[in-house]
Amino acid sequence: AQSVAQPEDQVNVAEGNPLTVKCTYSVSGNPYLFWYVQYPNRGLQFLLKYITGDNLVKGSYGFEAEFNKSQTSFHLKKPSALVSDSALYFCAVRDKYGTDKLIFGTGTRLQVFP
Amino acid sequence: DVKVTQSSRYLVKRTGEKVFLECVQDMDHENMFWYRQDPGLGLRLIYFSYDVKMKEKGDIPEGYSVSREKKERFSLILESASTNQTSMYLCASSLLSGGRDTDTQYFGPGTRLTVL
Repeated sequence: AQSVAQPEDQVNVAEGNPLTVKCTYSVSGNPYLFWYVQYPNRGLQFLLKYITGDNLVKGSYGFEAEFNKSQTSFHLKKPSALVSDSALYFCAVRDKYGTDKLIFGTGTRLQVFP
Repeated sequence: DVKVTQSSRYLVKRTGEKVFLECVQDMDHENMFWYRQDPGLGLRLIYFSYDVKMKEKGDIPEGYSVSREKKERFSLILESASTNQTSMYLCASSLLSGGRDTDTQYFGPGTRLTVL
């Protein structure tokens, strides 16, 4: 069965420092991977996705993610964190070929300190 | 902009009540989804619909049912609410990809349901 894991419940970063939010996946076939963000009292917002092609995917708000097939990882990164990046981040993978269902990770809370 | 709206932001109900959560999207999307979000568990799919009157069970359908009579509207029904259904409920919609791709899901703001 397809799955994603977010090994960190919380990540703390100082403003201006680079940030990484980790995600690993387990799939049969080619992975379709997503990152979503949830700001307080809001629904989820799409950040970026990897379907095929370049391993470095650029998304909204200056975020990017690196697909690494050998390590089965899809880590979310940003070169310089902002306090306003503080939110809950979810990694997701397509359930199986031919479906539009996603399987979400448990989420990682990012806290950026001034 | 894609807009997914949910009928209530906050809802308080009593054990045993029948509860309706409504979701409407304005982008003519074929797919609609209902999730519940709980701390430490992430998002779990309750039900999924890929067309009017079509539905498919997700990972945790027990205690829930759904209705999709019109393309833009997807309702989640708690037949007899219980305290363990206290949660945040999120609705989402997306285009039907047919397997060639997987389209972005667009989410509503969520309904925080408390069952007393």
